[in-house]
Amino acid sequence: GQSLEQPSEVTAVEGAIVQINCTYQTSGFYGLSWYQQHDGGAPTFLSYNALDGLEETGRFSSFLSRSDSYGYLLLQELQMKDSASYFCAVSSGYSTLTFGKGTMLLVSP
Amino acid sequence: EAQVTQNPRYLITVTGKKLTVTCSQNMNHEYMSWYRQDPGLGLRQIYYSMNVEVTDKGDVPEGYKVSRKEKRNFPLILESPSPNQTSLYFCATSLAGAGDTQYFGPGTRLTVL
Repeated sequence: GQSLEQPSEVTAVEGAIVQINCTYQTSGFYGLSWYQQHDGGAPTFLSYNALDGLEETGRFSSFLSRSDSYGYLLLQELQMKDSASYFCAVSSGYSTLTFGKGTMLLVSP
Repeated sequence: EAQVTQNPRYLITVTGKKLTVTCSQNMNHEYMSWYRQDPGLGLRQIYYSMNVEVTDKGDVPEGYKVSRKEKRNFPLILESPSPNQTSLYFCATSLAGAGDTQYFGPGTRLTVL
């Protein structure tokens, strides 16, 4: 089976940079995704890494190291609206997607 | 407008009373799946469907059924709901499988008394 570990909570101030780590154990790894969810709302896609390295999309970047079974989401120039839960998710094949338990990010003024 | 819809959005029911949560998408996506979300447990996959008439179990399928008779619809059926199925349920779709961008419905909050 698959298992993912990510911190349960991270706090930061507006304008700062924060990194949310995700380590995983899985068979048949295809890629690592990140999703954002505001309080009970629908999760929304942020990024996907299938190969090692950094992917940048605006203020958000995501990194993957397949050899270390490790990835992270980097959020820069934090804004209050970034306060949300962030989930990493591993896809193994085209069929199953396994999510971590989520990291709650609290951004303070 | 591309969207994933779920109905109902909120439901309170009693143990043993069969219910169906509908999921519909207008994006012509092949892949659809159901998740439940419980506090501290993240999202757990219940069932998924790669295409019409093709469904398979996810991580937590016990107590649930699904069907995929047409591409746009993927209902979740609870034949005999129990209180441990009280949860927030999300339907999701994607063009090309689990690794592709998942588009989530708005969620259905189910309470089983």
